[in-house]
Amino acid sequence: QSALTQPASVSGSPGQSITISCTGTSSDIGGYNYVSWYQQYPGKAPKLMIYDVSNRPSGVSNRFSGSKSGNTASLTISGLQAEDEADYYCNSYTSSSTGVFGGGTKLTVL
Amino acid sequence: EVQLVQSGAEVKKPGESLKISCKGSGYSFSSYWIGWVRQMPGKGLEWMGIIYPGDSDTKYSPSFQGQVTISADKSISTAYLQWSSLEASDSAMYYCGRLRDIAAAVDYWGQGTLVTVSS
Repeated sequence: QSALTQPASVSGSPGQSITISCTGTSSDIGGYNYVSWYQQYPGKAPKLMIYDVSNRPSGVSNRFSGSKSGNTASLTISGLQAEDEADYYCNSYTSSSTGVFGGGTKLTVL
Repeated sequence: EVQLVQSGAEVKKPGESLKISCKGSGYSFSSYWIGWVRQMPGKGLEWMGIIYPGDSDTKYSPSFQGQVTISADKSISTAYLQWSSLEASDSAMYYCGRLRDIAAAVDYWGQGTLVTVSS
């Protein structure tokens, strides 16, 4: 299956809100409510930020939120902070019984 | 505390075989799926496949079917990823992760194993 489509980069100033989109098909994002988002710092393992489209794991800031409409999922980060600068990846379960990641989005905090 | 501890970095030559490991602790290893994810240098995350240690049910992503073998030994809470004949293009960081069920998110990750294949 093809990777989900994410913008290569997004940027925002401290305090602002940004949204990262993730577009798939009816065989992945559109067909299931199993979208997750991961944050990854350089040289580190990914960290789960959102699961099942819009749920936050314990310990993740409520500045992070997720949503889905049709074949597109979105991650919104409000009140942007310098520590949010990282790579972000979306992931969805697919009809092949495996997952598929997006290509990743580099978030720059200006 | 849930932990996934992966085996150390490997340097191999093309054509050699390799088996890396991921040991789980702090939870019932047999009751959660373990997935393997590849990250090539400077690139994104790619699903390779997942295994349910309880019955060794395994699913491979199409791109990796036939290229690697995923296995698990529930008696020692360890999952494995192996290659029979490495290529230079297998050089990457490999992560294991725990999934609550086949469709779930990865809630815990290993620290990664760096594999370098060079002549």
